[in-house]
Amino acid sequence: AQSVTQLGSHVSVSEGALVLLRCNYSSSVPPYLFWYVQYPNQGLQLLLKYTSAATLVKGINGFEAEFKKSETSFHLTKPSAHMSDAAEYFCAVSDGAAGNKLTFGGGTRVLVKP
Amino acid sequence: GAVVSQHPSRVICKSGTSVKIECRSLDFQATTMFWYRQFPKQSLMLMATSNEGSKATYEQGVEKDKFLINHASLTLSTLTVTSAHPEDSSFYICSARIVRDGPLHFGNGTRLTVT
Repeated sequence: AQSVTQLGSHVSVSEGALVLLRCNYSSSVPPYLFWYVQYPNQGLQLLLKYTSAATLVKGINGFEAEFKKSETSFHLTKPSAHMSDAAEYFCAVSDGAAGNKLTFGGGTRVLVKP
Repeated sequence: GAVVSQHPSRVICKSGTSVKIECRSLDFQATTMFWYRQFPKQSLMLMATSNEGSKATYEQGVEKDKFLINHASLTLSTLTVTSAHPEDSSFYICSARIVRDGPLHFGNGTRLTVT
């Protein structure tokens, strides 16, 4: 079984400040890990994914995440927040096997203050 | 890039009626489509996996007779909420995959409100 825990359902950052969203996972097999962003009343857009290659993964919109197996973490960061980063962010895990299904964390809503 | 279109984006129906939601892959053939439900301020919960030409696989706790899924072609999957009740009000999102282990492409979701 797999699970994902996102610490903090809401994060508030100032424009230009560091964005840090925390994600811890549990998986009995080597995980595939994902970060998605969701804008209001829209579907999900893939920010980045970890698939057992480089542990530091760079995504779109200036986001990156680091896979740390020892900490079972996959935290998402962005050095400088922009107003357009205000959205909900979901961390997800899949087993990478055939028919792999995504298990999502509870989500973190990011508010960017001017 | 791959585009998944969901229709309608919003629907309001009366309790006891049925509602059909369509999920189309516009520029690719989707071997597998997934249906999710998202309650307000909550995460996405997988409802079922739909493979073209075969019966959908439902997650535990999802009533297959209430949430009918049809994946009749490689570009279309439909979710029908039968005899809808207010507690079925939710945001329903589909996703599609071209090949096994390939990336998921999400639709923009359908907001269902049952009055």
